[in-house]
Amino acid sequence: EIVLTQSPGTLSLSPGERATLSCRASQSVSSSYLAWYQQKPGQAPRLLIYGASSRATAIPDRFSGSGSGTDFTLTISRLEPEDFAVYFCQQYFISPCTFGQGTKVEIK
Amino acid sequence: QLQLQESGPGLVKPSETLSLSCTVSGGSISGTTYYWGWIRQPPGKGLEWIGNINYSGGAYYNPSLKSRVTISVDTSKNQFSLRLSSVTATDTAVYYCATYNSGWNYFDYWGQGAPVTVSS
Repeated sequence: EIVLTQSPGTLSLSPGERATLSCRASQSVSSSYLAWYQQKPGQAPRLLIYGASSRATAIPDRFSGSGSGTDFTLTISRLEPEDFAVYFCQQYFISPCTFGQGTKVEIK
Repeated sequence: QLQLQESGPGLVKPSETLSLSCTVSGGSISGTTYYWGWIRQPPGKGLEWIGNINYSGGAYYNPSLKSRVTISVDTSKNQFSLRLSSVTATDTAVYYCATYNSGWNYFDYWGQGAPVTVSS
């Protein structure tokens, strides 16, 4: 099973700042099969990025994804108030599909 | 745009079987190239993939749950279902159904989630 480790666990930032979230895989993952999700309290996850760097429909361009192999990054260029949430990475390159434990982006 | 809605009991007794359904609207469950998936989230924790199924009934399960899980499709009702047997308190979670894009291997449309508590 591929373990995804996200860091940091919590990121405390102010609106307008840049957020950089890391997702490290225990073995190499094809970029095609790495996705990122945003989850707000009481809501289902929302797909942000697939294929490591492709934005999903209607996702603002302040969200970007990058990386390859075992190291992937989600960047939010300028945090808006609605971006404070928990973010998860997910792989399904090798079964079983696995998720990272999440990074919480909170208001500083 | 596809919409998904979970339904089923919110309370299940230990050792019994958890059963949930996911109703798909905005499209036919058998008319797309999507797979259909179940994911769960214990209180305050992360996401765990349970399994996926395609419209013809081919299913894929998380090995950690495989002995207890059955996912099935009912095309006449435009629904797919989850059954999890011999539940314990560790199965307490919010259960989500979602569409699974088998080309890029991600979950795009999600239901709102069904909270299930295992308790006597």
